Amino acid sequence: DTEVTQTPKHLVMGMTNKKSLKCEQHMGHRAMYWYKQKAKKPPELMFVYSYEKLSINESVPSRFSPECPNSSLLNLHLHALQPEDSALYLCASSQGTRTGTEAFFGQGTRLTVV
Amino acid sequence: DAKTTQPPSMDCAEGRAANLPCNHSTISGNEYVYWYRQIHSQGPQYIIHGLKNNETNEMASLIITEDRKSSTLILPHATLRDTAVYYCIVRVVGRALTFGSGTRLQVQP
Repeated sequence: DTEVTQTPKHLVMGMTNKKSLKCEQHMGHRAMYWYKQKAKKPPELMFVYSYEKLSINESVPSRFSPECPNSSLLNLHLHALQPEDSALYLCASSQGTRTGTEAFFGQGTRLTVV
Repeated sequence: DAKTTQPPSMDCAEGRAANLPCNHSTISGNEYVYWYRQIHSQGPQYIIHGLKNNETNEMASLIITEDRKSSTLILPHATLRDTAVYYCIVRVVGRALTFGSGTRLQVQP
């Protein structure tokens, strides 16, 4: 099983809402990632978790709050977002953060903030 | 991370080989070359990676020059389903994947 599952696939939320994006993998991977992708742009790294601890935060605004409850799950909690936060949010996992290990991506959650 | 340079777009006829170039002239000795592709509105898909030697798998071949300053991804028999954005990424030890602009490959019937 080389699958990373993201839910929901689509999400529309208001600027005052609180919502969460979920990501799950059962490959025993110990590194998990959140990326943000705007239309016609490459994915941009947001957060990296290594062994369930946050190891990289790419200066992401605090309205995005990641959480790694266990080694298989990664959440992204959203609160007070802006319309410009509308994007495709991608989760990925890899065996570790060492070079030489490929990352597997989910299909993403397409978020629209209204 | 070493910077990569890719042509913004390429066309290829269906059934022919697609050769996608990538320059990474500042690559260091412990950096691998990775290739991913992203079909419209889907998550990026791993294709292949290598350090020094040429690599081949069921999807593609990766040719890395001897000085490691450039590489070529080869899709031997392109199909319409290979139409995608292809990303060449050079990855530093302990760092996550950083995507550049990629090459938009259009396979023509």
